[in-house]
Amino acid sequence: ETGVTQTPRHLVMGMTNKKSLKCEQHLGHNAMYWYKQSAKKPLELMFVYSLEERVENNSVPSRFSPECPNSSHLFLHLHTLQPEDSALYLCASSQDQGLSGETEAFFGQGTRLTVV
Amino acid sequence: GQNIDQPTEMTATEGAIVQINCTYQTSGFNGLFWYQQHAGEAPTFLSYNVLDGLEEKGRFSSFLSRSKGYSYLLLKELQMKDSASYLCAVRDGNYQLIWGAGTKLIIKP
Repeated sequence: ETGVTQTPRHLVMGMTNKKSLKCEQHLGHNAMYWYKQSAKKPLELMFVYSLEERVENNSVPSRFSPECPNSSHLFLHLHTLQPEDSALYLCASSQDQGLSGETEAFFGQGTRLTVV
Repeated sequence: GQNIDQPTEMTATEGAIVQINCTYQTSGFNGLFWYQQHAGEAPTFLSYNVLDGLEEKGRFSSFLSRSKGYSYLLLKELQMKDSASYLCAVRDGNYQLIWGAGTKLIIKP
């Protein structure tokens, strides 16, 4: 139990479907992140929220739409995805955006997404 | 561009010692992290270095040389449960985390 919970753990969706990934953190952190992890590639930061405001969007296609209704919850809405979007999507949280010291990120177990 | 390099895969024997290297080229430096990730699970924090030298935590130690852009993670008395991927990440001058692709460590009996 890492304090960060993601659902679902596995998702298979067609290219015309709409689905959402959910992340919840119970650590009292004020920053939350979405990462994409593909096989043998570095973690790719997708979105950063600090105090419920989006502070970074790393040129992510508009078919990925984040939502942060409060500091404990983060969603990633998916629509019209492509097969190359198949990957492990990881949510993380930290006490702040890492502006000081040993502020490590706590990760959820991820959603394994397959786009068919 | 910014870059983190670490070996793709390493194999070691149970009970032995293994060193996983990480070299980095980043715009600025504000700390280096090591994470462990078991297959199908979340990455978990192992260590943090911001000053040169060795940080020891039980069987795991992490070393940093800022002048060389180099770090290593040292795992002693290897156990089968240490089979996992080890991720190196550097916080750059803008406090953004730059990640390596990870090193898959295979432990053999």
